Amino acid sequence: DIQMTQSPSSLSASVGDRVTITCRASQGISNYLAWFQQKPGKAPKSLIFLASSLQSGVPSRFSGSGSGTDFTLTISSLQPEDFATYYCQQYNIYPLTFGGGTKVEIK
Amino acid sequence: QVQLQESGPGLVKPSETLSLTCAVSRSSISSAYYWGWIRQPPGKGLEWIGSVSHSGSTYYNPSLKSRVTISLDTSKNQFSLKLSSVTAADTAVYYCARHLEWEPADIWGQGTMVTVSS
Repeated sequence: DIQMTQSPSSLSASVGDRVTITCRASQGISNYLAWFQQKPGKAPKSLIFLASSLQSGVPSRFSGSGSGTDFTLTISSLQPEDFATYYCQQYNIYPLTFGGGTKVEIK
Repeated sequence: QVQLQESGPGLVKPSETLSLTCAVSRSSISSAYYWGWIRQPPGKGLEWIGSVSHSGSTYYNPSLKSRVTISLDTSKNQFSLKLSSVTAADTAVYYCARHLEWEPADIWGQGTMVTVSS
């Protein structure tokens, strides 16, 4: 199985901060990498696919980059509604696997 | 707006079989999509359980493969999950989701909590 390692596991930030979350795959996955946002008690919401493509309706302050094994999710200016847990997922090879999550909390 | 809705028992006894159904509205399960199940133990991360294609091909997480069956019911436009020989470790919120081949899930159900306990 491909292991997905996210860092940090949690972070504290203020509204307006630039936030970067990293995700590393245990082997190359090309750009078959997605990012999800999950709020408490809710299902995950897809933000980014193919490492850097924004899903329809997702604010442009979210961006993704990377290819191969190293990927990043950046929130350019953190908004109150962005406090949530973020997960990366590889969908290059079965079994599909998720990172452990990064909880973004209010500072 | 495509919607997915999970249903099934919220409590299952150890060693029994967990059975869930995902009803799909405003999208045919016979269309070119894959239909999957993902679970999340309380306070933990996401785990992909498996997916079934529109043609009935199945893909399972090897860690659960011996206990999992995912199938389509085209007559009811729904798909189901069966997980046998459950233990407390199978306690989780179970989500159903839709995805295309080589794409991540774009539509998720709201999730249903299943507790394994005697």
